[in-house]
Amino acid sequence: AQKVTQAQTEISVVEKEDVTLDCVYETRDTTYYLFWYKQPPSGELVFLIRRNSFDEQNEISGRYSWNFQKSTSSFNFTITASQVVDSAVYFCALRGTQGGSEKLVFGKGTKLTVNP
Amino acid sequence: NAGVMQNPRHLVRRRGQEARLRCSPMKGHSHVYWYRQLPEEGLKFMVYLQKENIIDESGMPKERFSAEFPKEGPSILRIQQVVRGDSAAYFCASSPPSGGPGEQYFGPGTRLTVT
Repeated sequence: AQKVTQAQTEISVVEKEDVTLDCVYETRDTTYYLFWYKQPPSGELVFLIRRNSFDEQNEISGRYSWNFQKSTSSFNFTITASQVVDSAVYFCALRGTQGGSEKLVFGKGTKLTVNP
Repeated sequence: NAGVMQNPRHLVRRRGQEARLRCSPMKGHSHVYWYRQLPEEGLKFMVYLQKENIIDESGMPKERFSAEFPKEGPSILRIQQVVRGDSAAYFCASSPPSGGPGEQYFGPGTRLTVT
């Protein structure tokens, strides 16, 4: 079975602080994909990143960075110098490759509040 | 290039009525997925469809729920005889044809309220 755990239910920081959102996953697939989505208060889901299981290179995009470690089955997301506009619920998701389905398995999300 | 479109954005139904949720995938996308988000919860997969085919419906409740993606027109998620517990946000996502690990692009969701 596949599972994604986001242990942090809510995080509150002050603007300009760095914040890391944790994501731990479980899968028996040898090839899989990991995703992060952002859900702002308006409710839509915004795709942030996809990472393949065979590519452990960390990625940076502006103030966002992702740390993928297969050894600990983690795919953590760091926001540097947080801003109020970063306030949202962030979801980590996993997609396996066995069985033909392409469904995403989501964690329960981490609600990030950035205070001015 | 228009994104995934869902309508209606908000839907209110009384218990026992039917709810029909529509999803138009992005242009060029032939795979559609439906997810349900209960209050304060993450998204849960319901069904995965390609044109005229249901590929994976392992997340669909056994009764009252059905989905289709006809050759022409949008994908429809249909809930018959709605109950209060069906109140949730229903998201549709689409992806390009297989051949790569295409990310799923989500629509804005339909928020169903059952009174």
